[in-house]
Amino acid sequence: DTGVSQDPRHKITKRGQNVTFRCDPISEHNRLYWYRQTLGQGPEFLTYFQNEAQLEKSRLLSDRFSAERPKGSFSTLEIQRTEQGDSAMYLCASSQGTIYEQYFGPGTRLTVT
Amino acid sequence: QKEVEQNSGPLSVPEGAIASLNCTYSDRGSQSFFWYRQYSGKSPELIMFIYSNGDKEDGRFTAQLNKASQYVSLLIRDSQPSDSATYLCAVSGSNFGNEKLTFGTGTRLTIIP
Repeated sequence: DTGVSQDPRHKITKRGQNVTFRCDPISEHNRLYWYRQTLGQGPEFLTYFQNEAQLEKSRLLSDRFSAERPKGSFSTLEIQRTEQGDSAMYLCASSQGTIYEQYFGPGTRLTVT
Repeated sequence: QKEVEQNSGPLSVPEGAIASLNCTYSDRGSQSFFWYRQYSGKSPELIMFIYSNGDKEDGRFTAQLNKASQYVSLLIRDSQPSDSATYLCAVSGSNFGNEKLTFGTGTRLTIIP
């Protein structure tokens, strides 16, 4: 069983550009989560999906952020008009509905210059 | 008051000794509790979860939960240099653990050979 995968692993972009990240959950995991982690902090929740439905969004997720999970499989997180404060590690996790654990992917490290 | 609090460390423990990591949480409705290990530059890796008061053991790791005191801990026996990492405590409001996780800032553990 392959783990959660994320693409790209690293992204450097200029302020004002749009970026999109992809997450592929563990197969048959119906829940998918996005978190953001900055240096010295724990991951902060952004949003999560059950199948294709987005069930909760954090107040951290400004209108520049959008996430989708078409067909309940992979998910994308888009950041429009990036700002330097968006520089962080973006983590994706997945879980299956009847078990407890969330498993994280390797993350996408975003640097906004 | 932070929702999940951990001592940031660093915590230094001699090789072979017991490392004790502590976490307190503010929401009495919290149901599920997780410990993740995070190596520098890597994503969090789940090592233990617990949802009932008492102890739960898995190999060299023991998680302890006291809901009345809103306290959860992780003991690592026979500490090895490979245990040197940041340990993140995470809390979920759901019995199923499949809602968002709220993380502490992590405790950096160093095992001294």
